[in-house]
Amino acid sequence: ETGVTQSPTHLIKTRGQQVTLRCSSQSGHNTVSWYQQALGQGPQFIFQYYREEENGRGNFPPRFSGLQFPNYSSELNVNALELDDSALYLCASSLGSGGANVLTFGAGSRLTVL
Amino acid sequence: KNEVEQSPQNLTAQEGEFITINCSYSVGISALHWLQQHPGGGIVSLFMLSSGKKKHGRLIATINIQEKHSSLHITASHPRDSAVYICAVSGGSNYKLTFGKGTLLTVNP
Repeated sequence: ETGVTQSPTHLIKTRGQQVTLRCSSQSGHNTVSWYQQALGQGPQFIFQYYREEENGRGNFPPRFSGLQFPNYSSELNVNALELDDSALYLCASSLGSGGANVLTFGAGSRLTVL
Repeated sequence: KNEVEQSPQNLTAQEGEFITINCSYSVGISALHWLQQHPGGGIVSLFMLSSGKKKHGRLIATINIQEKHSSLHITASHPRDSAVYICAVSGGSNYKLTFGKGTLLTVNP
């Protein structure tokens, strides 16, 4: 049973650019949630995808968008990057979309915006 | 005021000591998660609980729904337990997890 893998692990972008982060969910899981973790802070919920549909969204602007594919892997896209977007982006997969499901996290993608 | 508050923010212990980390929350929840995050970022789910107590090895998690409070205990702490421990809650059927800021635990040999 494979875990959750994220790519890339590190990347550097400049303000105004666009970035795509990828997440492959754990085998058997149909739900992927994305989180942003700024340095020294707890993760903040961005959105969740369940069976290829966005299932809920946190307090993030529309320039944060996502996709989930038929194999339940997922992408997070961020347009018009801002300096404050610098953070660790975590994805977590689960079997089921409710909050009472055990989450399996990836190691994260660390984004630096210059 | 954050919906999820953890204490202490930082904790330093000697190897072998009994550790307690606390989490208080202000909303109704369906489940509370305890997570461990090592330097470099990876997060591991330790426990998910909605009532009572769970134990896994040297780790014990308890929750009191009426008092909106949970504790994570580590018995016979070891330097490899050094990490950030994060409490997160989900409300009702809500998918969204709200996280605390974490407790940085350092266990010295």
